[in-house]
This record gives sequence, C-alpha cells and structure tokens, in this order.
Amino acid sequence: DAGVTQSPTHLIKTRGQQVTLRCSPKSGHDTVSWYQQALGQGPQFIFQYYEEEERQRGNFPDRFSGHQFPNYSSELNVNALLLGDSALYLCASSKNRLSKSYEQYFGPGTRLTVT
Amino acid sequence: AQTVTQSQPEMSVQDAETVTLSCTYDTSENNYYLFWYKQPPSRQMILVIRQEAYKQQNATENRFSVNFQKAAKSFSLKISDSQLGDTAMYFCAFMKLDMAYAGNMLTFGGGTRLMVKP
Repeated sequence: DAGVTQSPTHLIKTRGQQVTLRCSPKSGHDTVSWYQQALGQGPQFIFQYYEEEERQRGNFPDRFSGHQFPNYSSELNVNALLLGDSALYLCASSKNRLSKSYEQYFGPGTRLTVT
Repeated sequence: AQTVTQSQPEMSVQDAETVTLSCTYDTSENNYYLFWYKQPPSRQMILVIRQEAYKQQNATENRFSVNFQKAAKSFSLKISDSQLGDTAMYFCAFMKLDMAYAGNMLTFGGGTRLMVKP
C-alpha cells in the first residue's frame, strides 16, 4: 500500500520565479491538504482540495494556488517567489468526511530553497 | 480561530524511562479531534495517536497514551519505556470538525524536541 508521495524532494529557485510541487495521495484517499513548515516551526495550513475544488484556505496570499486532478493527485503552485517562501512543503491526504475518518497522513515533503 | 501551545521547546529522557509532553489549546468549538504527530530527523510526519473530544476515555496506542482534560483544554502525551527511536520533534494538532465540507484543517503547535538518551 503506497503512502503519500511528493516530488521533487528538494528544489532551489531564484526570487521572482515560479514553482510547482506535486503530491499523490495514499491509496483510498481523495482529499489533499498542503502545509508550509518553516525551519523550527510547526506546519501552517495552506489549503485543502476535495472533488477538484479548493474547500478551505489558510492565511496565505494568492501567489499560492493549487489544483487537484481526477485521480486525486494535487499540485501546489507558488508564483513570484520570495525569500520567505523557503520552507518544507508537506502534503497530507485523508478520506472524505463521509468515511468519518479524520486522520491526515503526510508525505515526506519538498524542501524549497529560494535564493 | 484555534490556537495550540506547546510550552516545552526541548525535553530529554533516559531510555526505558517515561516522559510527558504538554499541550494546551484554545477553542470555542465542541466537536473536534486532537492529534500527536512525530517528525523524526528524516522529516516524515507520522501520526502517533488521536483523541475524539466527545470521548472521555483517554486514547492509548502501545507505549503512547494521552491525558485529555477537556475542561482545562489540555492534551498531554505520555511515552512509556522510551526508546532511542522516539527521538524526534513532537507536534500537537487540533482539528475542528466541520461537516460542511469534505475534510478539515489541522492547526499545529510549535513542537517539542525530544531527545532519548542511552
């Protein structure tokens, strides 16, 4: 049973550039959430996707956008990168609420460095 | 908005001993879940244990157990018979249950770094 996978593992970008991070959920899961984890801090919620729609969004600017595909995989896009966007980006998957199973399972993360 | 506070930035324990990590949260919600996640140096976030707010009985998973005090909004994690592999960052997390949509966001505390010493 494959867990949550993310790509790439590491990424180095320059200020002003755009980046796309990818996530495949755990088998049987249809909901994907994205979190940003700055060094030494707890993860911060970015947004959550279900049925290819953004269902909930945290306090992040519009530079952060996402997409969910029919196979439940997801992308996180960040435009006009700032130095402060350097962080570990975590993807988590879960079953939808009808399953009454609320655990979120995390992928290994993508380490983004903006120079 | 919910907040989660972990007041112990770092803790250490000898192997085979017991350690308790503290977590408090602030919410006006009545339906919610609480979680403890472990993040080893490899950085993969691993679910350790969960607690449903409507359940009075404290959750237990092998060597891990919680002390859930709903009125005090406290949710501590006890690790018994600590092992070297327990060395990691531990995060307490809150999830409000909102049935209006499919999933629910996690609100994390700042974490406690636990070092298990041989």
